[in-house]
Amino acid sequence: DVQLLESGGGLVKPGGSLRLSCAASGFTFSDYSINWVRQAPGRGLEWVSSISTSSRYIYYADSVKGRFTLARDNAKNSLYLQMTSLRANDTALYYCVREAKDGDDGFDMWGQGTLVTVSS
Amino acid sequence: SYEVTQSLSVSVAPGQTARIACGGNNIGGKNVHWYQQKPGQAPILVIYRDVNRPSGIPERFSGSNSGNSATLTISNAQVGDEADYYCQLWDNNWVFGGGTKLTVL
Repeated sequence: DVQLLESGGGLVKPGGSLRLSCAASGFTFSDYSINWVRQAPGRGLEWVSSISTSSRYIYYADSVKGRFTLARDNAKNSLYLQMTSLRANDTALYYCVREAKDGDDGFDMWGQGTLVTVSS
Repeated sequence: SYEVTQSLSVSVAPGQTARIACGGNNIGGKNVHWYQQKPGQAPILVIYRDVNRPSGIPERFSGSNSGNSATLTISNAQVGDEADYYCQLWDNNWVFGGGTKLTVL
């Protein structure tokens, strides 16, 4: 099956750290830029970070810059989001998302998400 | 940073046409993508690059973009189209609109 499968979510205290993973299958992972998009409970979509095919370009939303680090391992078809200094407002469902291959064509595949809860 | 605005909600009767707007300064000069998200599900792409439908998306879904507004149009709206709809564009980073809840009743 063609899919993205997130893992690593959970409950963490404010100031703590968590590492999310995204495992890709059914397509050539190294051909696609990948993103994380999050959605706080009852709220809209918020783009978090993106990484290009060879990891040359990595972008972060201002809300996570300096706290989150995105990396990928094309040999393992995997993506990793290291989250540090977590805050209550980082609580959200985190989606791993594939960018369409041909430039600015949106996000054509979404995982089911992994829930991160930041609470004391 | 680029600001994108969407109305909170749109309501239409079954069979009518729903129009969901996405506003932004000269948004017509950017590529706008649209997502549908039903409760408890991940979003899916329904329109990309303003007017294009991915395979599997019904022809009832169409898009347009000019000036300061992009629009997602759903013709012959059905109860199954009830969902939150988000616009998205690239402006140095990816930007999502706040989402519009479509009610069909």
